[in-house]
Parts: sequence; structure tokens; C-alpha cells
Amino acid sequence: NAGVTQTPKFRILKIGQSMTLQCTQDMNHNYMYWYRQDPGMGLKLIYYSVGAGITDKGEVPNGYNVSRSTTEDFPLRLELAAPSQTSVYFCASSYHSFPGRSPGLAPYNEQFFGPGTRLTVL
Amino acid sequence: GENVEQHPSTLSVQEGDSAVIKCTYSDSASNYFPWYKQELGKRPQLIIDIRSNVGEKKDQRIAVTLNKTAKHFSLHITETQPEDSAVYFCAATPGTNAGKSTFGDGTTLTVKP
Repeated sequence: NAGVTQTPKFRILKIGQSMTLQCTQDMNHNYMYWYRQDPGMGLKLIYYSVGAGITDKGEVPNGYNVSRSTTEDFPLRLELAAPSQTSVYFCASSYHSFPGRSPGLAPYNEQFFGPGTRLTVL
Repeated sequence: GENVEQHPSTLSVQEGDSAVIKCTYSDSASNYFPWYKQELGKRPQLIIDIRSNVGEKKDQRIAVTLNKTAKHFSLHITETQPEDSAVYFCAATPGTNAGKSTFGDGTTLTVKP
């Protein structure tokens, strides 16, 4: 398994440009996430998805959009890039079972992270 | 929403000493608490986690303790080695929404040989 993969690894954008960060996982995880990590800071949740066709906002969603058309892919779209979006972006995935379907199993499991995309907006 | 505070922000120890990192959380509904290690330029990776139905969990030199009443949990690393040098993040996940983990700001641990 490749795990969680992200492209590109690095990107420089000009103010006002748009781009899509790609994320793919091959572990059949139902949950996927996008985080940003600013220098010396923790991970801030941008958006997450609990399954194909279902997405929800995290802590810092402004300026971003997501879609989840398949279990494997969770792209992050930046519209009208701004210098404040300069950061390292991590995609992650995890599997969560639901008590009704799997009685006795702990519902939460670790998040597996991709290698990150370093984005600079100038 | 959930608020997670992590202390200290930096920690320097001599090889062989113990290191302790503490996190507090605000949402009593949180019931899953993972710890991630991030080496320089790498992705975060889970090192240990604890669920709210237990008070302590150990894995070789690493242990995590949880005090639900006080809403804090701690990472303990014994017999530290230079390869333990990294940034460590705690996180809290609410039982009502597994998608919304909140991370602490991280602790930079330096182990001096």
C-alpha cells in the first residue's frame, strides 16, 4: 500500500491564482482530512469528510473548498490565493467504525498523514 | 469548540533522562487522545493513543496518562535517546464527532547526547 499520497510536494503561487492540492489514499479509509501547519504551530483542521459525497468545515475553512466524489480522493481547492495561505498542507485519512455496525470495537483510530505540500503565495 | 493547550513548547533533556509533556482540553465530550511525533521535514506519525475508558497506557519507553476529571493527559518518555528529538503533538477528539480532532501547538523535544 502507498498509504496517503499528496501532489505536488512544493508549489509557489502568485496572489490571486488558484490551484488544487491532490490527496489519495489506498487504505479504504472512510474519513479524510485536510490540515494546514504554519511554522512552529500545530495542525489546524481545514475540512474533513466522513465518506464519499459528505464534507464538513473544520476550524479554518475560509478560502478553501473540497469535494469527495470517491472513497480514495479528497482534493483541496484554493481560490484566489493570498499570502496568509502560505503553509504546509497535510492530508490525512483514518477508519472509524460505528458502534451499531461493529459492537465492541473502539470507534476511533489513528490518522495516517501524507507527506505534505509546501505552498508559498507571493 | 474544543481547546487544547500543550506545555511546554520546548523541552531539552539529557540522554537517559525522562521527558513529560502535558495537555489540557476543554470539551468533556472528548474521549480519544492520540499523540503524534513529527521529525523535521516529515509527516506526523502516531506514537501512542488513549481512550477515555482507561487511565494509563504503556508501550515500551512511552506512556500516556489521562485524568478525565481534571481534563488533562500527559506523555511520558523514559530513557530518552537522541532519536526521540522531534516535535510532539497531542490531540483531543470528541465522541460526538470523530472528524474534528483538535491538536495542541506542539512541543519541541531535544535530547542531548
